[in-house]
Amino acid sequence: AQSVTQLGSHVSVSEGALVLLRCNYSSSVPPYLFWYVQYPNQGLQLLLKYTSAATLVKGINGFEAEFKKSETSFHLTKPSAHMSDAAEYFCAVNLYNFNKFYFGSGTKLNVKP
Amino acid sequence: EAGVTQFPSHSVIEKGQTVTLRCDPISGHDNLYWYRRVMGKEIKFLLHFVKESKQDESGMPNNRFLAERTGGTYSTLKVQPAELEDSGVYFCASSPALGYNEQFFGPGTRLTVL
Repeated sequence: AQSVTQLGSHVSVSEGALVLLRCNYSSSVPPYLFWYVQYPNQGLQLLLKYTSAATLVKGINGFEAEFKKSETSFHLTKPSAHMSDAAEYFCAVNLYNFNKFYFGSGTKLNVKP
Repeated sequence: EAGVTQFPSHSVIEKGQTVTLRCDPISGHDNLYWYRRVMGKEIKFLLHFVKESKQDESGMPNNRFLAERTGGTYSTLKVQPAELEDSGVYFCASSPALGYNEQFFGPGTRLTVL
C-alpha cells in the first residue's frame, strides 16, 4: 500500500529563516514524488517533482527537495523564507504505472515578520 | 492557455439535496481526475477518466456519487442525496496522456452540507 506522511500540520518560521517541510512515503515500487503548494483561494500549483533523474530537485521560488531512498524521504527546503511563502504545502506520490496521486495531509507554513 | 476550471467555487446545500460540480480540463487533455479533501485531511483520489471512459473509480465513496464526462471534454460530479460527511473541497485535475506524471489542478469547489 502507498502512503505519504507529512510531519507537522503547521510549521512557523521567521522571515529569512530556513524552511524545512518533511515528507516520508511508503511505496511498493519506485515512485514519482511531488510537492504542490496551495496559496489562499487558489488551486494546487506544482513546486517540483522527482521522476528518477537527479535526486536533488530544484523547483520554483527557490525551493528544492532531495529524494533519499534509504530514508524513504522527500523533504522540502528553502534557505531563506519569504512572507510570500505562507501557504499550504502537499507532498504527493504517483506510482510509475498508475495515474493517481497519493497525498499527504498537508503542512501549513506560517512566515513571521 | 487556460488552466483547469471548476464551477462553482463554493456551494452550500442542505442535507438530502443534490449538487453538481463541474470541471473543465485543459484543452486537449484526455485524462481527468477528481479528488476530495475532507476536513483538513489528505487529498484523496476519487476517480480517473480517459476521454469519456472511467479508467479507475476505486476512490468513489458510495453510489451517491456519480461522475460523467460527456464527449471527453468537461466532467460533472453529482452528489445525490448529499450527506454531512460529503462536505469538503473537491479538486479536479487533468493531464495530457497516460503515463504523463504531472497533473494540473483546478482551484477546487468547496462544498458545505448543512
